Amino acid sequence: QSALTQPASVSGSPGQSITFSCIGTSSDVGGYTYVSWYQQHPGKAPKLMIYDVNNRPSGVSNRFSGSKSGSTASLTISGLRAEDEADYYCSSYTTSSTLVFGTGTKVTVL
Amino acid sequence: QVQLVESGGGVVQPGGSLRLSCAASGFTFSNYGMHWVRQAPGKGLDWVAIISYDGSREHYADSVKGRFTISRDNSKNTVYLQMKSLRLEDSALYYCARDWGEKQLEYYFDDWGQGTLVTVSS
Repeated sequence: QSALTQPASVSGSPGQSITFSCIGTSSDVGGYTYVSWYQQHPGKAPKLMIYDVNNRPSGVSNRFSGSKSGSTASLTISGLRAEDEADYYCSSYTTSSTLVFGTGTKVTVL
Repeated sequence: QVQLVESGGGVVQPGGSLRLSCAASGFTFSNYGMHWVRQAPGKGLDWVAIISYDGSREHYADSVKGRFTISRDNSKNTVYLQMKSLRLEDSALYYCARDWGEKQLEYYFDDWGQGTLVTVSS
């Protein structure tokens, strides 16, 4: 149950689009569509942004989108805004009927 | 409105035990699976355990298997995490979270408590 691999940090200017990855294996990301993404601001509980690879919960901006190719999932934030600055975590269901989170990516809006 | 309130955290010595509770309200508790997720200070999210809506299925992260037990009392709308043989690396803020699926497990969640802090220290 090794953590999924994410880049430690990504940055972009307001209005830009950024994409960052979540690398797993065939036992998690590559084997299932149960990939989710969470946004966490400092001192707050995480918020679900994407589920089942590319679905947005009600109320989440359509500037957030997800995709997957093989064992790599990706989150894209379009039209970057100051309030998007936060930590982002991917997660995936695994063959052991467990859940594994990614290492987390800190998004900085320049 | 979904509300999850954790309690039971505190300071415990290595090798000690602690039981966390999570009181739920605002939804039909007996229809939803529940998770425990932890986060060490300044670190990332770490999934701990899940229990199905009826308590018939439990799954654990390898790091806690055999030491932690998740359980629930649907009559009290409460989920528990019994922690034994605690280690320094178990120190974290422990969140309970409601699984998305109703009467099925989806393994993602949008309702979290505020967390309860567990500190393992000698």
